[in-house]
Amino acid sequence: TQLLEQSPQFLSIQEGENLTVYCNSSSVFSSLQWYRQEPGEGPVLLVTVVTGGEVKKLKRLTFQFGDARKDSSLHITAAQPGDTGLYLCAGAGNNDMRFGAGTRLTVKP
Amino acid sequence: DAMVIQNPRYQVTQFGKPVTLSCSQTLNHNVMYWYQQKSSQAPKLLFHYYDKDFNNEADTPDNFQSRRPNTSFCFLDIRSPGLGDAAMYLCATRPDRGSGQPQHFGDGTRLSIL
Repeated sequence: TQLLEQSPQFLSIQEGENLTVYCNSSSVFSSLQWYRQEPGEGPVLLVTVVTGGEVKKLKRLTFQFGDARKDSSLHITAAQPGDTGLYLCAGAGNNDMRFGAGTRLTVKP
Repeated sequence: DAMVIQNPRYQVTQFGKPVTLSCSQTLNHNVMYWYQQKSSQAPKLLFHYYDKDFNNEADTPDNFQSRRPNTSFCFLDIRSPGLGDAAMYLCATRPDRGSGQPQHFGDGTRLSIL
């Protein structure tokens, strides 16, 4: 079983601060996805990274895939209350997708 | 427009009473997944269909069954729900099983057991 570990599990910060969450595994993934999930809703895809060392930016969010394709990070610049939610990383194989336990982010105004 | 639709959004059933959750998709994706998500936990894969080919996870209880009558629809049947089955159930689709293809999720069905 390919396990994904996310850290930190919980993060509470003030509006305007920067933060980084991590997703680590001992396994190599063909691709990795980041999702954000709000209470009572399904996960919404933020980004897919495929190539080792790849960096993708989505407004204030920067995603990086490790060179060995075993880990990834999500950096948020100048966090806003609207960024509050559960951030999930998921590693994709050919047949299925495995999720990390998530990072629950709270951004206080 | 919703592309993966789960019904109902909220379902209440009695202990031991069979319940069926439904999922439909307008994406014409080959692969459909069912996940169970409990509070503050990651989604746990129960099973998936690749076209008509059913793939069960080794640790999915026999109490959970699934049907996919056509490309668009997939059902999750819980034959005898127990209190521990109360959770959010998420349906997801994927174009194919190739790498780099993300999943698209519905909004889930929250199941409560009385």
